[in-house]
Order: sequence, then structure tokens, then C-alpha cells
Amino acid sequence: GQQLNQSPQSMFIQEGEDVSMNCTSSSIFNTWLWYKQDPGEGPVLLIALYKAGELTSNGRLTAQFGITRKDSFLNISASIPSDVGIYFCAGSKTSGSRLTFGEGTQLTVNP
Amino acid sequence: DAGVIQSPRHEVTEMGQEVTLRCKPISGHDYLFWYRQTMMRGLELLIYFNNNVPIDDSGMPEDRFSAKMPNASFSTLKIQPSEPRDSAVYFCASSLGAGGFTNEKLFFGSGTQLSVL
Repeated sequence: GQQLNQSPQSMFIQEGEDVSMNCTSSSIFNTWLWYKQDPGEGPVLLIALYKAGELTSNGRLTAQFGITRKDSFLNISASIPSDVGIYFCAGSKTSGSRLTFGEGTQLTVNP
Repeated sequence: DAGVIQSPRHEVTEMGQEVTLRCKPISGHDYLFWYRQTMMRGLELLIYFNNNVPIDDSGMPEDRFSAKMPNASFSTLKIQPSEPRDSAVYFCASSLGAGGFTNEKLFFGSGTQLSVL
């Protein structure tokens, strides 16, 4: 079935550092989304991408829709302790089709 | 504006018992989804509804699982009988289906942590 591979699985960084994580697939997706999950809560949408090559920012977060439509990247600049959580990528092949979620990247930020 | 509301937040039950999880989607959202999250399998889509009608239930693991949406503001996920391997966090999510790509923007509830002993 469809699979999204996220890397890295976990990251331990110091406050103030920049973070990069990515998501890849063997097949093409037409929509990419990035979610963040805080402990004990459901995932919350951070950024949605709809066009190949699209670069979108949300505060300190920037995400890109890969040109091949088989990958996406999320960058967090100047990390802060509240950035801690699990970051999920998700992709959809067609409008209205089910989302496929990646396995998540666990981010830990040390003050 | 209230988000997706799930109840209970935690459920501990014994093997063989019936479990019912409840969800109230965001008002006006046309799509409702039930997901299960475990360490081993991540986030799995169990079933989703559009305008209260089940569209895809291929993710429902077994006949022990059933889901209903009697109206636009309420859905249930039932497990009968429950088994220890059903222990997981169950999320309900809703989205606005106005055409185009909008139905991919899911809004999740806080989840129900289910433990089956």
C-alpha cells in the first residue's frame, strides 16, 4: 500500500537551533500536509501544500512540496521548547481521497 | 468555536466488554473520520463518513468494530467484544468538504485513550 517515510525518526536539539525533517514516497502525491501532535492531544494542521515546488511559511515554519511530487520538507527556524512534539507528514493522491500519514518525527528541544 | 469533541478521554475496560467511543464534529463540517494510533502502526484510518454516510470502512480491522453517524453532530465507534490488542488512542477528526482540496484539512479531537485489560 501507500507509504510515507519520514526522517529522522527522532531529533534532540538545543533551543535556538534550526530543524529540518522530510517525508518521501515511492509514488506521487498531489497534496502534502504537515501536522504537529502535542502529548495527549490530537494532531494539529501546520501547513498545507497543493502545488509541486510550492514553498509556504507559517511563522518560524517553512514547508516545501517537492518538484517530483514524491517528497516534502519541513524546516523550523530558531527552535523553542514549545516546538517539542511529534511532526507528521500526510499526503493525498487526489482531491477527496484518504490521507496517508507518515510515521512521525519526534522532536525534543533542550532549553 | 468548539473543536472536535471526543468522549471519554480515557477508557479502561476488561477483555470481552463492549466499548463505545463518542465524537461531536465541528459544526458545518461534512466529513468525519475515525483514526487509531499505536506505536507500532502509527495513525490508521478506520472509517470515514461524508454527510453522515459511511464512504470507506476498509480500515475497520474486524467485525468487532462498527461505527455510526446518526446525524451531522454525532458519531460513535463501538468495539464489541473488546480485546487487549484494541488498546490504542482513537481519534475522531472532521473536515469541511466544500470541493477542491478542502477535505484534506483535518481537525482532530483530543482522542480517547483505550486500555483493554
